[in-house]
Amino acid sequence: GAVVSQHPSWVICKSGTSVKIECRSLDFQATTMFWYRQFPKQSLMLMATSNEGSKATYEQGVEKDKFLINHASLTLSTLTVTSAHPEDSSFYICSAPDRGTNTEAFFGQGTRLTVV
Amino acid sequence: EDQVTQSPEALRLQEGESSSLNCSYTVSGLRGLFWYRQDPGKGPEFLFTLYSAGEEKEKERLKATLTKKESFLHITAPKPEDSATYLCAVFTGTASKLTFGTGTRLQVTL
Repeated sequence: GAVVSQHPSWVICKSGTSVKIECRSLDFQATTMFWYRQFPKQSLMLMATSNEGSKATYEQGVEKDKFLINHASLTLSTLTVTSAHPEDSSFYICSAPDRGTNTEAFFGQGTRLTVV
Repeated sequence: EDQVTQSPEALRLQEGESSSLNCSYTVSGLRGLFWYRQDPGKGPEFLFTLYSAGEEKEKERLKATLTKKESFLHITAPKPEDSATYLCAVFTGTASKLTFGTGTRLQVTL
C-alpha cells in the first residue's frame, strides 16, 4: 500500500540551529500534506497544511517564520524548524491523504526532535 | 469548537479479556470519525473510518461502531501485540481538518 516516509526519525540539535525534516510519499502523489506536533501523552496538534506549488496554511498560534514549510514537488514536503530552542523539542509527524477517500490514512514514522 | 474525548486514558487487559474503548465527540457537521493505532515513537496507523451513525467496521480482533455522540472500539480476545495507543479523530466540514483525542493507552498482558 501507499507509504509516507519521514526522515530523520530522530535528531538532536543545539539551540539556535535549524533542523529540516523531510516527508516523502513513496508511491503516490500528494498535492497536500499535513504537519503535526505531538507532546508526550497529548493529542496530535495540526501545525500546518502543506500545499504543492503554493504557500502553506498555518494553524492559529503557529509561527510561520519559525516553522518553514516547503512543498516543492508532488512527493516531497519539508518542515524546517529555524533557530530551534528547547521548547521546540517534540515529536513531529507528517501525513498525506488517501486521494480516493480523502482520509488521512498515511502517516510518516515521526521525527523526535531534541534541542539542547 | 470541535471536541474529542477518549476514555479510559489507560487500560490494562489480560490476554483474551475483551473490552471497549470510548470516543465521545462534540462537533458540528461530522463528516467522518477515524480510529488509528500508534505504537511508541511511531506515527499513527490508520484502522477505520466511520461516516454515519449505525455504521460498523471490523478488522481482525477490532470492531468500531458509531452513534451520534460517540464511537466505540471493541477489542475481542486481545493479544499482547494489540498493546498500543488508540487514537480517535473527527473530521468536520466546519474545521476541514482532523481533531484528535488524547488516546487510550492499551496494555495487554499474558
